[in-house]
Amino acid sequence: DAKTTQPNSMESNEEEPVHLPCNHSTISGTDYIHWYRQLPSQGPEYVIHGLTSNVNNRMASLAIAEDRKSSTLILHRATLRDAAVYYCILRDSNQAGTALIFGKGTTLSVSS
Amino acid sequence: DTGVSQDPRHKITKRGQNVTFRCDPISEHNRLYWYRQTLGQGPEFLTYFQNEAQLEKSRLLSDRFSAERPKGSFSTLEIQRTEQGDSAMYLCASTGGTGPNNEQFFGPGTRLTVL
Repeated sequence: DAKTTQPNSMESNEEEPVHLPCNHSTISGTDYIHWYRQLPSQGPEYVIHGLTSNVNNRMASLAIAEDRKSSTLILHRATLRDAAVYYCILRDSNQAGTALIFGKGTTLSVSS
Repeated sequence: DTGVSQDPRHKITKRGQNVTFRCDPISEHNRLYWYRQTLGQGPEFLTYFQNEAQLEKSRLLSDRFSAERPKGSFSTLEIQRTEQGDSAMYLCASTGGTGPNNEQFFGPGTRLTVL
């Protein structure tokens, strides 16, 4: 899997939007961009994924750059429960079933 | 609750002892993964099963580690002759289907402390 680069940490205030960036300059055409997050003392959980177009679900939005070399996870209104480590992961669509390759992720702190 | 469960949640052992962890995946999920996570790091892949077949093992999985999934349902991870460096959170995940975008569902993990 191609490498991703994320800031080590970010801070936000409650009820404000949060934009979590991810760089993946060596992404290949068959790589999907996945985001997982890990709340304190829990296993990771899936957030969202996309290929080229921006994606929305109940948890977040994923904005993908036109050249696909970067993406941004958007939490529209951060809550205290969104404090977690967020991982940006690339998954090759030609390698079904392979494990997730986690980096260190971005630790998001949310203040009230 | 029909999520992934792991047992025990915590295990403290002395160096040199053997330990075994259990993972119960979501019912009918055919793929099961084991990961290890040390403090401040993201999870690292150890091994995965499709049904009862162990399809891939990481270089992290030394010969002291063995994993099984005998009937394609629950899985066990055994560590023999534990070392202090084995102290970590051991995470299990499962997924249905074979697509690369299938969501992996993680259990709460087993935290191992080797004294």
